[in-house]
Amino acid sequence: QSVLTQPPSVSGAPGQRVTISCTGSSSNIGAGYDVHWYQQLPGAAPKLLIYGNNNRPSGVTNRFSGSKSGTAASLAITGLQAEDEADYYCQSYDNSLSGVIFGGGTKLTVL
Amino acid sequence: EVQLVESGGGLVKPGGSLRLSCATSGFPFNTYSITWVRQAPGKGLEWVSSISSTSSSIYYADSVKGRFTISRDNAKSSLSLQMNSLRAEDTAVYYCARVGYCSGISCYGTELRFWGQGTLVTV
Repeated sequence: QSVLTQPPSVSGAPGQRVTISCTGSSSNIGAGYDVHWYQQLPGAAPKLLIYGNNNRPSGVTNRFSGSKSGTAASLAITGLQAEDEADYYCQSYDNSLSGVIFGGGTKLTVL
Repeated sequence: EVQLVESGGGLVKPGGSLRLSCATSGFPFNTYSITWVRQAPGKGLEWVSSISSTSSSIYYADSVKGRFTISRDNAKSSLSLQMNSLRAEDTAVYYCARVGYCSGISCYGTELRFWGQGTLVTV
């Protein structure tokens, strides 16, 4: 059971917009710690997608965006493409566990 | 180009030991905190351990505390993870990752900005 809760799966048709939620608590996201998002393609290492809640590293398309409010965060993907099919993970810090925490991951299927 | 390359994985019996290494290049290693993250087959990401740039701060997940030891050699730009008393549930791909970004002597962020390709440990 992950400290951060993500839906196991989401899906959408090409061109559509999908969102992935990441729900935490007062000891992590609600305490003001940043949320980061990673994309993991099959057989590959995770890749940083969004950092500091809503910032994109150089080279990441603006079809990906992040937001945070209260004890939750979300990742939005617009203009869905077949290449977006992957697992997505949120990450933050928890002060009661004194450590890095991840969400359980969400598998995105492009229909 | 920033690179992190893990090595040392393999097959080990329960109760055994293994030492993982992470060789880095392309950035000032002695400035950055580094983290180990693992992923069991078909499962999600799990934080294992983190070490600050000077080794002054070291953290472990409860699941490995007392069994794993993280260390770094800034002169060699490398990181190690000594794993003892291994259990079947330690079976995973182990990744090392660079934390945040630094400008001069100031570092920012808690994101895992660059990752290695991982090394598989099977217990």
